[in-house]
This record gives sequence, C-alpha cells and structure tokens, in this order.
Amino acid sequence: AQKITQTQPGMFVQEKEAVTLDCTYDTSDPSYGLFWYKQPSSGEMIFLIYQGSYDQQNATEGRYSLNFQKARKSANLVISASQLGDSAMYFCAMREVNTGFQKLVFGTGTRLLVSP
Amino acid sequence: EAQVTQNPRYLITVTGKKLTVTCSQNMNHEYMSWYRQDPGLGLRQIYYSMNVEVTDKGDVPEGYKVSRKEKRNFPLILESPSPNQTSLYFCASSLTTQTANSYEQYFGPGTRLTVT
Repeated sequence: AQKITQTQPGMFVQEKEAVTLDCTYDTSDPSYGLFWYKQPSSGEMIFLIYQGSYDQQNATEGRYSLNFQKARKSANLVISASQLGDSAMYFCAMREVNTGFQKLVFGTGTRLLVSP
Repeated sequence: EAQVTQNPRYLITVTGKKLTVTCSQNMNHEYMSWYRQDPGLGLRQIYYSMNVEVTDKGDVPEGYKVSRKEKRNFPLILESPSPNQTSLYFCASSLTTQTANSYEQYFGPGTRLTVT
C-alpha cells in the first residue's frame, strides 16, 4: 500500500493566487513527521516545511503552510500568493518512528505550473 | 557553506562497467542516504547509514553497494551497472534521526546516470 499519496500529477495556478497541493498518508504509528520538498527544473531538492504528528498547530514558513488534518491523514501544502518561481515539482514525504526514523518515504509528486 | 556534494553530476556509461558516485557532506551529520528518482515513482531509498561503519538497505538496494568509512563520505557503488539503473540519484544527510523526527534531510544536487 502506498504510504504517501499525491493524487494530483499536475496543477495550474495564476500568479498571485493561492494553491493547495494534496497529500494523504498511511501509517499506524502515532509518531511521525511529514515534510514537503520542492524540486525546480534545475533538479535540486529544497526543503520547504515540516509537521510533526504531535504538533498542535499547523506549520507555516513564509508563504507556505501545511494544512494538517490528522484524523483524515492528510497534510496538504498551501502556497499563498503564487509566484512564477514556484513552478516546480513538489513532493510530500513521511518519516515514521517504527522505522527508527531512518526512512523518508516520498510520494510521486505534483507538478505545479504558475502562469502570469 | 553547509552542503552535500556529489560527483559526477552527469555520467554516461556502458553495461557492466563498474562505477562509483561520490557523496560528501560538511555538516558533521551522522545520517546519510541514497535515493533514486524515476518518473512517476518519486524518490526511493537505496541504502542509508546511521553512522560510520553502519549501513542498511532501503527499498531498492539490488545492484548497489555502499560504504561509510568516514563520517563525511558515503559513496554509491554500481559493480555491474545495467540499463534499468539509468536514473537520477540523490545523496542526502541529516542529523541523527533517533531522537527526533523533525530533522530535514539535506540533499545533494543529484547525479544523472545513463547506462547504455
């Protein structure tokens, strides 16, 4: 079974608008961490935001926020005021306690295209 | 500057010719890992290392070897490359993952390998 599911292969948004990238996860472990990474066309992986399973509040980092709904096992990334430079692949990933935190499991990614 | 470096960045080789992709980090991180990225599959973990002389298999270890003789270096070895190992490879490092799950992994720039 997929541990991390990103159902949107591609998303389009206009500049300055907000966009939500979906991520659902599957775990029976009470302790886990959720990450979002950005991969621009140049190929590097850039860490964006982290949410711990015990965190009471949704994580925010500048224009990025994570809409964490624990009961629904979803960790959607919200990008506010999109910019042309936000065009990239976005990956959701999870780390679980029961693997000793060694493994970071990735989803298949969502390609975001921001248009002027 | 804190970074993970990989060499080479691009490599075209032939089936069966042994190769090594080097990975080095200057952040004194205990944990290092190798991933491969293939279209539609996201990133999948090949091998990881919790510390010097401690390595373990990830999800797709077949056809790969690693070693961790020094804390900063974690080379990936393909003893007899095959065309199905054509992929984009990432090395990553982070602080120890045994005590907290919030440490993000820092990724190298990637190595694009083509095996003909």
